[in-house]
Amino acid sequence: EDQVTQSPEALRLQEGESSSLNCSYTVSGLRGLFWYRQDPGKGPEFLFTLYSAGEEKEKERLKATLTKKESFLHITAPKPEDSATYLCAVRALEFNKFYFGSGTKLNVKP
Amino acid sequence: EPEVTQTPSHQVTQMGQEVILRCVPISNHLYFYWYRQILGQKVEFLVSFYNNEISEKSEIFDDQFSVERPDGSNFTLKIRSTKLEDSAMYFCASTSGQENIQYFGAGTRLSVL
Repeated sequence: EDQVTQSPEALRLQEGESSSLNCSYTVSGLRGLFWYRQDPGKGPEFLFTLYSAGEEKEKERLKATLTKKESFLHITAPKPEDSATYLCAVRALEFNKFYFGSGTKLNVKP
Repeated sequence: EPEVTQTPSHQVTQMGQEVILRCVPISNHLYFYWYRQILGQKVEFLVSFYNNEISEKSEIFDDQFSVERPDGSNFTLKIRSTKLEDSAMYFCASTSGQENIQYFGAGTRLSVL
């Protein structure tokens, strides 16, 4: 069965303390890996799409990388406004089906 | 900036009642999705819809659920006879098809009493 696992479940950082979030996946035929940010009571907000191993995408303090089995979301010098739940999702071989991980809840303290 | 709009933001219903959750996807998008998120749990895929028919559905999406695009703008999710365990946030999403990016609405919180 296709699976997406995110770790850690929760992460508390001091402002400026860099770290990485992990998303490991087992899917029969990856058609894309997606990172989203979700604030409480809101829908997921798109951050990045990665398609092939070795690919990297960057946006402000965030950088996403992809290997054949996992993806990392690196956060450099985070600020309190980066506090949110970060979700990973994969698009499987079935063209129109997406699987989400449970998310990492990030809390950045000033 | 175009966005996916969902109504209502909160729906309270009695067990056994029918509910219809409404979504207005981004206007030039072709692929539409419903997801649910039970409090504290992961976002779960329910169904995808393209060209006026269901293209994929999950095991959650049983005979109690149905989707419809009644006109050129709305996309609805109907639950025929709600159960307590249907209480969750329901998210609608859409993509253009040319890109892989799903844009999500703010969600409808369904509370079944």
